[in-house]
Parts: sequence; structure tokens; C-alpha cells
Amino acid sequence: EPEVTQTPSHQVTQMGQEVILRCVPISNHLYFYWYRQILGQKVEFLVSFYNNEISEKSEIFDDQFSVERPDGSNFTLKIRSTKLEDSAMYFCASRDRGSRAFFGQGTRLTVV
Amino acid sequence: AQSVTQLGSHVSVSEGALVLLRCNYSSSVPPYLFWYVQYPNQGLQLLLKYTTGATLVKGINGFEAEFKKSETSFHLTKPSAHMSDAAEYFCAVTDPGTYKYIFGTGTRLKVLA
Repeated sequence: EPEVTQTPSHQVTQMGQEVILRCVPISNHLYFYWYRQILGQKVEFLVSFYNNEISEKSEIFDDQFSVERPDGSNFTLKIRSTKLEDSAMYFCASRDRGSRAFFGQGTRLTVV
Repeated sequence: AQSVTQLGSHVSVSEGALVLLRCNYSSSVPPYLFWYVQYPNQGLQLLLKYTTGATLVKGINGFEAEFKKSETSFHLTKPSAHMSDAAEYFCAVTDPGTYKYIFGTGTRLKVLA
């Protein structure tokens, strides 16, 4: 089965630092997503991306967050100035024109 | 707005017993419904999905779920629990327009020997 790949699997960063989480979606997919799961809580939608622009974003996705598809294969989530409460598992997902989104294994971000 | 409610944050069953994990949804449009499983420190794995057609859908690892529009439910079942089924299970809904997934709060399944 095709896979969405996320790197790194675990990232530790100091509060106030910038982090970039990387994702390689499935090659022929058109729609891309980031979700977040704070430890012990549900998975929450952050942002969707299509045709090189954000199609929808949640209230969580404020000005400190940004997404980019810099080279046609990678899909990145940048957090400009991390806060303790940004500590979470971040999932990337992609889909083609069908209903099913394929999720990556996640990046666990720990802000200290 | 769409929402998902999973009744029971923790469910315990004996090995070999029936597994029933409950999911109710709210949606203003015909929904697409999913069940995902998450093993400790791992990602989300799709168990099964309902989009259109047959309301009883079968998934991997012997799981199945039935879409009941009148009850706005999509409960997950497995006739006989196995120790390896111990994990967190998430129900999710999306509408065919946005495909943004709305997840429930999850149910942690414990299987007792």
C-alpha cells in the first residue's frame, strides 16, 4: 500500500525556536492536510492545502503556523516560535480525488 | 457543522468476547465515515470506511461497521476479540465536499486474558 512519509519521527525543540515538520505525500495525490494530536486527546484538523494554496484552516492554525509545498514533492508545516502547548503528534495526510486520506506515521514534537 | 461522539473512552473485553465500539455522528450532508486504529506510538491505520452503497462494511482484522442513518450511528464490531486488538480506536466523519476529517475523542480498547 502507498505510504505518506514524515520526518523526523521525533523532534525536540526549545520554546521560541522555529521548527519545520516534513512530509512526503503519495506521489499522485492532490490534496494535503496537517492534523495534530495532543497527548491523550483527539486528532484535530489544522489545515488543508490544494493547488498550492490553503483551502481551509482551523482556529488552531494561527499566524505562527505556515505550510508550503516547496518542490512539488514535499509538504511542510512550519511553526515560527514554538510554545510549550505546541507539543503534540503532528500527522500529515494526503489523498487523490477519492474519499480516503492516507496518514503518515506522525512527528512527535516536544517543546521544552 | 459535523461532529462525532464516541461513547466510552475506555472499553474492556475478555479475549474471545464481542467487541462493540460506539460512534454517533452529526452531519448536515450525507457523510463519509471512517474507523481508524492507533497502536501505541504509531500513526493512524484505516480499519474501514463507508461512503455509499452497502451499509455494512467489512474492514481489516475482522472488524466491521454498520451505517445506520436513522440512528446516525456507525458502530464498530468484531465477533471475537484478540489480544492484538488492544489499541485506541477513532471514528471520523467527513463531508464529500471538503474531505476534512472530524475525529471523535477515541476509545481505548483493553483486551483481558
